[in-house]
Amino acid sequence: AQRVTQPEKLLSVFKGAPVELKCNYSYSGSPELFWYVQYSRQRLQLLLRHISRESIKGFTADLNKGETSFHLKKPFAQEEDSAMYYCALGYGGSQGNLIFGKGTKLSVKP
Amino acid sequence: DAGVTQSPTHLIKTRGQQVTLRCSPKSGHDTVSWYQQALGQGPQFIFQYYEEEERQRGNFPDRFSGHQFPNYSSELNVNALLLGDSALYLCASSLDGGYTQYFGPGTRLTVL
Repeated sequence: AQRVTQPEKLLSVFKGAPVELKCNYSYSGSPELFWYVQYSRQRLQLLLRHISRESIKGFTADLNKGETSFHLKKPFAQEEDSAMYYCALGYGGSQGNLIFGKGTKLSVKP
Repeated sequence: DAGVTQSPTHLIKTRGQQVTLRCSPKSGHDTVSWYQQALGQGPQFIFQYYEEEERQRGNFPDRFSGHQFPNYSSELNVNALLLGDSALYLCASSLDGGYTQYFGPGTRLTVL
């Protein structure tokens, strides 16, 4: 069965420190992986998707099919990065169903 | 463009009642997906509507039903409410069911 695991409920780092939010998935097909972010009092929004291989707000994520992981990384965390981060797996072919992990709350301290 | 809008913002119901939640997609989008987000959990897929039909469904009972109108807006109906239905209900819109989904602010449903 499809599953997304985010092992950390809370991750706390200091400003300027590197940050890595972990995501592991279980899926027998060809996965499409996403990171969504929810800032305080804002709606859930797409941060990045693996197929675009782009960097958004300094964040990158690499799909590792061997380890079935899609960790989100940023070399230097900023206070404005504090938010709830959700990893999501797309399945169902082209019909856009997403399975979300339980989320990791990132807190960046000054 | 206001993006995805949902109404109402909050709702309080009692067990056994029925509820209807509404969603208007982002301009230009034709697909609406509904998610349930319980406290401390990630969103869980309920179903997706495209061309006024339910195209895919998650692991939710038949008490959860929906509808999509010709203008692409959508409703989520829940019958015979249970305490466990208390959650944030999110609507997301996309173009032709694509994975790039735009989420609404959600409707907070409390069942007493």
